[in-house]
Amino acid sequence: QQQVKQSPQSLIVQKGGISIINCAYENTAFDYFPWYQQFPGKGPALLIAIRPDVSEKKEGRFTISFNKSAKQFSLHIMDSQPGDSATYFCAAVSGGYNKLIFGAGTRLAVHP
Amino acid sequence: EAGVVQSPRYKIIEKKQPVAFWCNPISGHNTLYWYLQNLGQGPELLIRYENEEAVDDSQLPKDRFSAERLKGVDSTLKIQPAELGDSAVYLCASSLDAFDNEQFFGPGTRLTVL
Repeated sequence: QQQVKQSPQSLIVQKGGISIINCAYENTAFDYFPWYQQFPGKGPALLIAIRPDVSEKKEGRFTISFNKSAKQFSLHIMDSQPGDSATYFCAAVSGGYNKLIFGAGTRLAVHP
Repeated sequence: EAGVVQSPRYKIIEKKQPVAFWCNPISGHNTLYWYLQNLGQGPELLIRYENEEAVDDSQLPKDRFSAERLKGVDSTLKIQPAELGDSAVYLCASSLDAFDNEQFFGPGTRLTVL
């Protein structure tokens, strides 16, 4: 059962553009929503995370928007750079359980 | 500070052979996780340890997979016998404790079963 649905599967953006990746979840017990960035041959690395008590979190060029009523959250990468080319995973965690449920991933390519 | 260390980085074996993966978590991290990542998919949890105790192994195929975390530090994941479908990346992660949501991942071991 896929509990976190992620789209699109792949994304091509021009340098300087905005990259947007969307995720939807089903389990209302989830209370922590991280985004991970993974480069080829590397493990996933935490990029930014949000809890459902806020609607937006911004760190540098990366912003998470969270819509609790719709059970959706998204990652926005402003001023996308070729170095941002990687696979991005959204995930969700249930309180007290600490089990990461990952989305299927989005392969982002930023063209110069 | 050193990150999560895994070895080997790559392993190629024939089907029906045994294979083992090793993980050394970040120093001081009590919780250790093993994940399976199939090509083009997100990681899926296989087993979670709190110190030496396996507290969630519901997704571990116990007929051929086993894991241990002696002394609550390093961990080994074993497959015996390996099947073609086991070809994947095996990721190890660690966190400070069960209440720390931030998990740090190692580079993974890419297993190819021929």
